[in-house]
Amino acid sequence: EVQLVESGGGLVRPGGSLRLSCAASGFTFSGYWMSWVRQAPGKGLEWVANIKQDGSDKYYVDSVRGRFTVSRDNGENSLYLQLNSLRVEDTAVYYCARDTGQRSVDYWGQGTLVTVSS
Amino acid sequence: DVVMTQSPLSLPVTLGQPASISCRSSQSLVYSDGNTYLDWFQQRPGQSPRRLIYKVSNRDSGVPDRFSGSGSGTDFTLKISRVEAEDVGVYYCMHGTHWPFTFGQGTKLEIK
Repeated sequence: EVQLVESGGGLVRPGGSLRLSCAASGFTFSGYWMSWVRQAPGKGLEWVANIKQDGSDKYYVDSVRGRFTVSRDNGENSLYLQLNSLRVEDTAVYYCARDTGQRSVDYWGQGTLVTVSS
Repeated sequence: DVVMTQSPLSLPVTLGQPASISCRSSQSLVYSDGNTYLDWFQQRPGQSPRRLIYKVSNRDSGVPDRFSGSGSGTDFTLKISRVEAEDVGVYYCMHGTHWPFTFGQGTKLEIK
């Protein structure tokens, strides 16, 4: 059974940093692109970043480029998102999702809440 | 970025009746490989999104056949043939043709 479990969310002040983790199991993690998608409270979904199987290719939405960094450790079956220079508008539930390799995602984690507030 | 526009944003439906959600993109979603990367997701209250349909009309495993997707180019539709209580939630279209992938605003389906 495919499982994705995010962790690392919390309350942080504007300008602060946080590192999110996603532990994957039930599939060959190293064989899949992986993605981060976020959802602000009561709002819709926004793609944040994705990363190729070997980490050699990464894509970011403009609003986070230069502030967020996606990475992975295939040996640990883990996906990460480093969030720096956080802004109030980055407040959201951050979901880790498995990319199908067909420009889509099929499995999602339960999400981890990041709250940026002074 | 490609803008995905859904309508309606709110959809009250009587149990057992059909429902239809429209999704229009600001650019064609036909990719260079000839495929059209348009998906539909369902998000039930308090849950993570779940993919229902991929590449316009392909149902994911375990998705009831009352859900169907259609469309082409810039105009797409999700149909539910007979709404059941478990269908309550927000439905999103999403494209994967151009980076960044983007979602529609969501359509909230509720039971009348």
